[in-house]
Amino acid sequence: GAVVSQHPSRVICKSGTSVKIECRSLDFQATTMFWYRQFPKQSLMLMATSNEGSKATYEQGVEKDKFLINHASLTLSTLTVTSAHPEDSSFYICSVTGGRSYEQYFGPGTRLTVT
Amino acid sequence: DAKTTQPTSMDCAEGRAANLPCNHSTISGNEYVYWYRQIHSQGPQYIIHGLKNNETNEMASLIITEDRKSSTLILPHATLRDTAVYYCIVRDPNDYKLSFGAGTTVTVRA
Repeated sequence: GAVVSQHPSRVICKSGTSVKIECRSLDFQATTMFWYRQFPKQSLMLMATSNEGSKATYEQGVEKDKFLINHASLTLSTLTVTSAHPEDSSFYICSVTGGRSYEQYFGPGTRLTVT
Repeated sequence: DAKTTQPTSMDCAEGRAANLPCNHSTISGNEYVYWYRQIHSQGPQYIIHGLKNNETNEMASLIITEDRKSSTLILPHATLRDTAVYYCIVRDPNDYKLSFGAGTTVTVRA
């Protein structure tokens, strides 16, 4: 399967600041990338879908102005949490798909803590 | 509406086969059954998928009933590293999205 990395793996930021999370597909041209959020003891919730070179599609209830997604290339997507608040503290996970198969390959996740 | 139903949790003995059931009684004719697992504090890992035939790979086997209303994921020789949450997901082949339910928390015990 595809190798997907995320950076940083953990980040702590102060309330009101913005934080950027990178998702890289290391050996796979990802035409589509997904961003998920997972709160403690809960399942993954899809936040948005992004296709390379076009605007992301956000799921209902996800604020597009708060969670900025950029998918500038086939190997890189970024999620920026703007004006972060403690309730944004969560585990953020990206996944990639594309090519001949329909499997999604997930990154290791980024633990965001907003103080 | 949940498309799949899985037991909340199950324990397995190390070295024994682990059989994880999943009900998907409303599955459509062209929808696939996918299995992923998530080890604590990591991203999900793809295990296997199938449409109607049984499938096997280096990680597991997938047995789908003839009416496709249920399936079983089989881990042939469970190890402690197989402790994870296992998700059974039904997916339309034309839709990349995956909808994760609560999954089954599998604990492999020595």
